[in-house]
Amino acid sequence: AQSVSQHNHHVILSEAASLELGCNYSYGGTVNLFWYVQYPGQHLQLLLKYFSGDPLVKGIKGFEAEFIKSKFSFNLRKPSVQWSDTAEYFCAVIANTNAGKSTFGDGTTLTVKP
Amino acid sequence: GAGVSQTPSNKVTEKGKYVELRCDPISGHTALYWYRQSLGQGPEFLIYFQGTGAADDSGLPNDRFFAVRPEGSVSTLKIQRTERGDSAVYLCASSLGGGPGETQYFGPGTRLLVL
Repeated sequence: AQSVSQHNHHVILSEAASLELGCNYSYGGTVNLFWYVQYPGQHLQLLLKYFSGDPLVKGIKGFEAEFIKSKFSFNLRKPSVQWSDTAEYFCAVIANTNAGKSTFGDGTTLTVKP
Repeated sequence: GAGVSQTPSNKVTEKGKYVELRCDPISGHTALYWYRQSLGQGPEFLIYFQGTGAADDSGLPNDRFFAVRPEGSVSTLKIQRTERGDSAVYLCASSLGGGPGETQYFGPGTRLLVL
């Protein structure tokens, strides 16, 4: 069975600081990886995804993530955060053999202080 | 265009009652997903439809939970004999196709409280 682990439950940063949120998954086969964001009062929306090709994926709002297959990781990064990045971030995985069945991590709450 | 909509936005019921939660996917999306999110946790997969049929219902916790999508568009999640542990936010998502790399578009959720 697939599983996802997000190491940081709550991260607090000042504006302009760099961000890295950890995500590790457990599954031996081919996977598709996603980062979703939920801003306060809004619903989940996709930040970026990896399903094949270049392991460095760029998403919206300056976010990027790198798929490192040997480490089963898909960490999210942003070089300089803004107050508007305050939100909850979820990592998710779908195995190629389990189309449609997403497994999510428990999320990381990011608070950016102005 | 219109996104995924869910009704009601909030539902309060008593233990033992029956509830129905509705999801309207984005028009033209063939795949539809239901998740449950408890406080402090990520969404937990319940069931996935491709068209009218349930392609994967392995996440339904027990036989009190059932979902339908009779015309391949709107879906209803039905919970019988509700228990306090069913209290959660129920999320619906849809995607254009049902492949593993497809982007899922989420609705705002229905917050269910069982007293």
